[in-house]
Amino acid sequence: DAGITQSPRHKVTETGTPVTLRCHQTENHRYMYWYRQDPGHGLRLIHYSYGVKDTDKGEVSDGYSVSRSKTEDFLLTLESATSSQTSVYFCAISESPSDAGGPQHFGDGTRLSIL
Amino acid sequence: EDKVVQSPLSLVVHEGDTVTLNCSYEVTNFRSLLWYKQEKKAPTFLFMLTSSGIEKKSGRLSSILDKKELFSILNITATQTGDSAVYLCAGPNAGNNRKLIWGLGTSLAVNP
Repeated sequence: DAGITQSPRHKVTETGTPVTLRCHQTENHRYMYWYRQDPGHGLRLIHYSYGVKDTDKGEVSDGYSVSRSKTEDFLLTLESATSSQTSVYFCAISESPSDAGGPQHFGDGTRLSIL
Repeated sequence: EDKVVQSPLSLVVHEGDTVTLNCSYEVTNFRSLLWYKQEKKAPTFLFMLTSSGIEKKSGRLSSILDKKELFSILNITATQTGDSAVYLCAGPNAGNNRKLIWGLGTSLAVNP
C-alpha cells in the first residue's frame, strides 16, 4: 500500500470554525491532491500540488486553501467551515502526471461533519 | 468540455455471474484511462490503459480500451461477494494532464 496517512480520520466541528486536514506521504511523490466525495457528485478535485510551494486550484476550490511546505505534507484548510463542506475528503499522491504512467493512490479519507 | 460517463449506475448480480461495466471518455486528446475499485474506504487502483496497451488482465478482472471510440469496458468473470464495490473510471484532463476527470462510478452488488 502507498504510504499515505490522513489525519484526523473523523472530525465533527461547528459552522464558522477553522479546520485543517493533513495528508502525509512517505513515497516522496511529487504530486499530491485533495478531493471531496459526495453522493451524486463523485470525486471532485479541490486543490493539488505539483511540488513544494507549487499548488493550483481544482474544480471546487472556493472556501478551501492549501499549503505544501515539505514534499511529504499537504495541508487542506477550511478557513470558516460551512455545512456544505460536510463531506469525505481524500488525499491522493502520484509520482508523475496522470497521463505519464503515474496513477493516483489514495489515503483512507477523513470524514468531516460540520454542524 | 472533457467528460467521463459510466454505465450502468448500479448493477445487482448473483455470485458466479459475469459483469461488464462501461466507461465512455469524451476528450479532445486521448492519453490514458484508469479504473479504480472503491469499497468502504479509499479508491484502489486497478488498471491503466494507454495507446500502447489496450488490454489489461488481472485474475478475474480484465479491461479493454477502444481508443478510436474512446470507450472502455471492465469485465469481471465468476463474480464473488468480495467484488461488491463502486467501480470508478477516470482520465487525464486534456487541458491539464495533472488532473483526472472522474466518472460517477458503477455500484456493483454481488449477492450470494
